[in-house]
Amino acid sequence: DVKVTQSSRYLVKRTGEKVFLECVQDMDHENMFWYRQDPGLGLRLIYFSYDVKMKEKGDIPEGYSVSREKKERFSLILESASTNQTSMYLCASSSRNRGYDEKLFFGSGTQLSVL
Amino acid sequence: AQKITQTQPGMFVQEKEAVTLDCTYDTSDQSYGLFWYKQPSSGEMIFLIYQGSYDEQNATEGRYSLNFQKARKSTNLVISASQLGDSAMYFCAMGRNTGNQFYFGTGTSLTVIP
Repeated sequence: DVKVTQSSRYLVKRTGEKVFLECVQDMDHENMFWYRQDPGLGLRLIYFSYDVKMKEKGDIPEGYSVSREKKERFSLILESASTNQTSMYLCASSSRNRGYDEKLFFGSGTQLSVL
Repeated sequence: AQKITQTQPGMFVQEKEAVTLDCTYDTSDQSYGLFWYKQPSSGEMIFLIYQGSYDEQNATEGRYSLNFQKARKSTNLVISASQLGDSAMYFCAMGRNTGNQFYFGTGTSLTVIP
């Protein structure tokens, strides 16, 4: 069964901490994405990567960075966590073979609370 | 800019009845894909159904079907014979031909009443 795995389902961190959210996919997908989900706002794209070491900013990149050193792994980094980064974070991947009809495969999400 | 609008924050439906979840989109692209995802309380986003902009027939997948009206830029999800397990958040999304970017609506929370 194909899978996108996020390292933690729930995470509690303190303000100012450096936070790493890890995502691994086993489908050999080129594209990987990090979304943030907040009630009433839907899913908002933070960053996406279309290849190893390649990344592009999404709609809300401020306060976040990403790393993609291997094709299967895409990490989201909060350099100095703040309370307004408390949210559900969803990782997704897709193949680059086609275009607009290529669906996203999602992980189970990480609920991050910053205290 | 691309925009997906889901105007129903919450919906209720009686078990075994059909329900329609609304979604409209705004794009100047000629080629695009429309997707519906289900998110149960467990958090994972589950792909339900897809409609391409050039597809002339409405997509169907089991109990899920789309009412795709291209001129109105709407793609409403119809769930027939609702089950208790259908209670979840439902998101409409659009995929573009550029950069494999997706745009999501704000979601509709569906509750199925026994």
